[in-house]
Amino acid sequence: DVVMTQTPVSLPVSLGGQASISCRSSQSLVHSNGNTYLHWYLQKPGQSPQLLIYRVSNRFSGVPDRFSGSGSGTDFTLKISRVEPEDLGDYYCLQSTHFPNTFGAGTKLELK
Amino acid sequence: VQLVESGGGLVQPGKSLKLSCSASGFTFSSYGMHWIRQAPGKGLDWVAYISSSSGTVYADAVKGRFTISRDNAKNTLYLQLNSLKSEDTAIYYCARSFHGGYSWFAYWGQGTLVTVSS
Repeated sequence: DVVMTQTPVSLPVSLGGQASISCRSSQSLVHSNGNTYLHWYLQKPGQSPQLLIYRVSNRFSGVPDRFSGSGSGTDFTLKISRVEPEDLGDYYCLQSTHFPNTFGAGTKLELK
Repeated sequence: VQLVESGGGLVQPGKSLKLSCSASGFTFSSYGMHWIRQAPGKGLDWVAYISSSSGTVYADAVKGRFTISRDNAKNTLYLQLNSLKSEDTAIYYCARSFHGGYSWFAYWGQGTLVTVSS
């Protein structure tokens, strides 16, 4: 299975500040069709995960433009600008290029 | 889109349990569906997938013990859990594929807790 490594494990931030989360895969996530299937989720405390970004850089419906994704091959980044209270929680990357889908271990975004 | 899981509870090791996921707000029969689980305080693990035509695939950890199925007439997804082990203790989420086939997870239910303990 593809191993997804997220850093940092914990990320203290100030409200209004910026956060950056890294996700690295153990093999390239470029599919044979040319697409890259790397996605980002946020799990707020006590809630189920919600899709934020799909296929590296596409914001899902209703996701504010404070969230942006980038990267290629094996290295990917989620950036959150102007952090708001509702952005706090656990962030997970997911790859669906290779079977089975695998998640990173998560990054906890918390107040400094 | 709304997904509502049910059927979780406390069960002894070696016993069985059947989870359900009621879907609404989209054409259920047109989408692949997944089960994903999260052990208490841990990360997320994909468990099983069923296509719109009822083809299935499973994670190695549950293959041969769990069975995913669907009833398109009832807009309901199921997960039969047999020969349960303590390591199966988790919140089980159902999720809809982003598009019709096997893909990432676009919408999630609120989850149902399965506790395997004697």
